[in-house]
Order: sequence, then C-alpha cells, then structure tokens
Amino acid sequence: GAVVSQHPSRVICKSGTSVKIECRSLDFQATTMFWYRQFPKQSLMLMATSNEGSKATYEQGVEKDKFLINHASLTLSTLTVTSAHPEDSSFYICSAIGTDWNTEAFFGQGTRLTVV
Amino acid sequence: AQSVTQLGSHVSVSEGALVLLRCNYSSSVSVYLFWYVQYPNQGLQLLLKYTSAATLVKGINGFEAEFKKSETSFHLTKPSAHMSDAAEYFCAVNGNNDMRFGAGTRLTVKP
Repeated sequence: GAVVSQHPSRVICKSGTSVKIECRSLDFQATTMFWYRQFPKQSLMLMATSNEGSKATYEQGVEKDKFLINHASLTLSTLTVTSAHPEDSSFYICSAIGTDWNTEAFFGQGTRLTVV
Repeated sequence: AQSVTQLGSHVSVSEGALVLLRCNYSSSVSVYLFWYVQYPNQGLQLLLKYTSAATLVKGINGFEAEFKKSETSFHLTKPSAHMSDAAEYFCAVNGNNDMRFGAGTRLTVKP
C-alpha cells in the first residue's frame, strides 16, 4: 500500500507557542488529506478536510484560526497549532486519499502533542 | 454525511475464542467500508475493506467482515482470537471522499 509519513511523532512545546505538523504522501499524489484528533481512549475526531490548492473545510466546532491547515502540494499538508494551550495536548493523525486510491485512506503514524 | 456506530466500546474474549466486533452505518450515498486496527500511540493499520466487490471480505491476520446492505452492517470476525489481537478497532465509512469513524471497540484477549 501507499505510505504516508507524519512528522514529528512526538513534540512538547510551551504554552503560547505554535507547532507545525507535517503529513507527506511518499509514493502517491494525495488529492485529499484529512486531519484527525484523538483523545485518550477515544475515537478519531475529524477536524478538517483539505484538497490540494483549496482552503480546508473545517468541521463544526474546530477553530480554523487556531488549527491552520495548508495543502499546497499533492504530497504535503501541514497542520499548525497556533498559540497552543495545554488543552490542545492530544494525538493528531493525518490521512490521505489519492487519485489512484480513491476508496482507501492511508494514515500517518500520528503526532503526540504535549503543551506544557 | 455518513455515520458509523460500533456496538460495544469494549469486548473481552478468551484466547482461541471467536471475535465479533459490530459495526453499523448510515449513509445516503454509496459507501466503502473499512476496518482499521490501532495499537497504542500508533497510527491506523487497515485490516480490510469493502469496495463493492465481494460482500465477504477477508483481511489480514485472519480477520474477515461481511457487508450486509439490508442490515447496513459490516461486522468484523475472527474464528480464533490470539493475544496479539488485543488492540483498538475502528470501523469507518467513506462516501464521496468523506471519511468517518466509529467510536472504536477495545478488544481484550484473556489467556
């Protein structure tokens, strides 16, 4: 199957700073990328859907000014958590769907964000 | 939009016993259905998927699932549980590139 690389796998930052998480499709072109947030022992909550070259579509209740998503190329999407607070600490996972894989999403390994 | 319901947030079986994880979905469009497994602090790994071919789908690690349109179900089964099957399992539905997940079922396997 296709490979999605997510970086970093773990990050600790101070309150008030911003953190950028990258999601790359290594061997396919990702026309659509999804960003999820997962709280301990809970399911994945869809935050936003991004299509290459377009503005991301955010789910209700997700602050677009706080969680900035950029999908500037067919192989890279970034999620920037701005002015992070301890309540933003969570596990963030990206997934991607490509033109040749339009039935299956491939997932990154996730990023554990801890805001102190 | 689609939605997925997984019945039972926690399932416990003995090693060697049948595993049955339930998943029901709702959608107004044609969908593709998936089962993923997640180990602690890791991303999701695809177990199997239904993409409108055979309704009985076989996946990795001995798992299989049957798509029943009349029941809007896609239950996951494995004849004999192994200790290494202990993990979180998610059912997901994709319709029109809108992927949604169920709440997850934590499978515990007792020796």
